[in-house]
Amino acid sequence: QSALTQPASVSGSPGQSITISCTGTSSDVGGYNYVSWYQQHPGKAPKLMIYDVSNRPSGVSNRFSGSKSGNTASLTISGLQAEDEADYYCSSYTSSSTLHYVFGTGTKVTVL
Amino acid sequence: QVQLVQSGAEVKKPGSSVKVSCKASGGTFSSYTISWVRQAPGQGLEWMGRIIPILGIANYAQKFQGRVTITADKSTSTAYMELSSLRSEDTAVYYCARDGYCSGGSCYSSYYFDYWGQGTLVTVSS
Repeated sequence: QSALTQPASVSGSPGQSITISCTGTSSDVGGYNYVSWYQQHPGKAPKLMIYDVSNRPSGVSNRFSGSKSGNTASLTISGLQAEDEADYYCSSYTSSSTLHYVFGTGTKVTVL
Repeated sequence: QVQLVQSGAEVKKPGSSVKVSCKASGGTFSSYTISWVRQAPGQGLEWMGRIIPILGIANYAQKFQGRVTITADKSTSTAYMELSSLRSEDTAVYYCARDGYCSGGSCYSSYYFDYWGQGTLVTVSS
């Protein structure tokens, strides 16, 4: 079972929108609506930003949104702000017999 | 508000074992399920396994089968992850995280990790 594929880096200027992709297979991303997204600042624990593809936990800004099409999920950050600069990871439930969850490779978001 | 507080950093020799604890407060420990996730320096996140404390049932990623043991002590609201036969590649930050709940005698995965411990750095070096 390989990690889900994310771009290594994405950048944008303050106020712009960016989208991070997360590509898996029909055994994970494509087969279930159990994709979640995490934000991680350096030296900190990950923070849940999106769950079940497109749901935001209480307290997470509505500038963060999620979607899915086929085997690819996406996280969009609109109105980019300096504090959004962080690493982002997607995760999915997987029906693989060797795993329960699989994470993405991670994307570094840089605010220019 | 659920809080997960982990034990402190460890330095271990290759071939030895490490046991990391994760103490829960807020909510009812027996109503959660807990996963362990690790992150090697500069690398991504990797799921290791999970436990349903109320049932004492654990399952593990195949990669770690035979080397990892996840347990829970309901009396102290603490989950444990023990990794044996340590090698340098096991140097990482280890996190516990809540990933489900139990209600009415049944337990369910939420399929996401909503509360995380602060992480425990385990360094394996001779």
